[in-house]
Amino acid sequence: AQKITQTQPGMFVQEKEAVTLDCTYDTSDQSYGLFWYKQPSSGEMIFLIYQGSYDEQNATEGRYSLNFQKARKSANLVISASQLGDSAMYFCAMREGRTGNQFYFGTGTSLTVIP
Amino acid sequence: GAGVSQSPSNKVTEKGKDVELRCDPISGHTALYWYRQSLGQGLEFLIYFQGNSAPDKSGLPSDRFSAERTGGSVSTLTIQRTQQEDSAVYLCASSLAFGRGRGTQYFGPGTRLLVL
Repeated sequence: AQKITQTQPGMFVQEKEAVTLDCTYDTSDQSYGLFWYKQPSSGEMIFLIYQGSYDEQNATEGRYSLNFQKARKSANLVISASQLGDSAMYFCAMREGRTGNQFYFGTGTSLTVIP
Repeated sequence: GAGVSQSPSNKVTEKGKDVELRCDPISGHTALYWYRQSLGQGLEFLIYFQGNSAPDKSGLPSDRFSAERTGGSVSTLTIQRTQQEDSAVYLCASSLAFGRGRGTQYFGPGTRLLVL
């Protein structure tokens, strides 16, 4: 089974609108971390936001928020007020394991912001 | 510099030649990862170093691939007898040891390898 599933290969959003990028995960660990990364066309992976499995509040970082639904094992990224510079690939990732070295990435979602 | 650096940024080589890719992690980061990303694809885990522990090599695709990390800092990924299917972007990431932080990985800009 896939550890991280991103079911949206491509998404479009109008500038200034909000968009949700889906991510579901699979783990039997109680302690794990969830991450979102942005990869613009330049290729560098940019860390956006983190959610720990024991965090009770949804994580927020500026225009990014993570909709964490633990029972459903989902960790969707919400981008508010989309900007043209948000056009990029977005990867969901999970860290699990007692040593924390098991790190899994999804296949990514390509987001295009339309002016 | 403050971030992860990788060199070279681009490498073109002929099939059958050996290549070495270098990664300089963020100072103080004891964990270092190598990934491979083929065009339009996700990240493929290759190898993981944590401090002085034995590396996790479970992602290396063949024995032509090897990596070392000297002095717990700089890492070199070596591909011997390169094949055309090795063409990809090779990404390096570093993080604090899990337990000292969230384990957030910070990535370098990557090395784009093209094997002709």
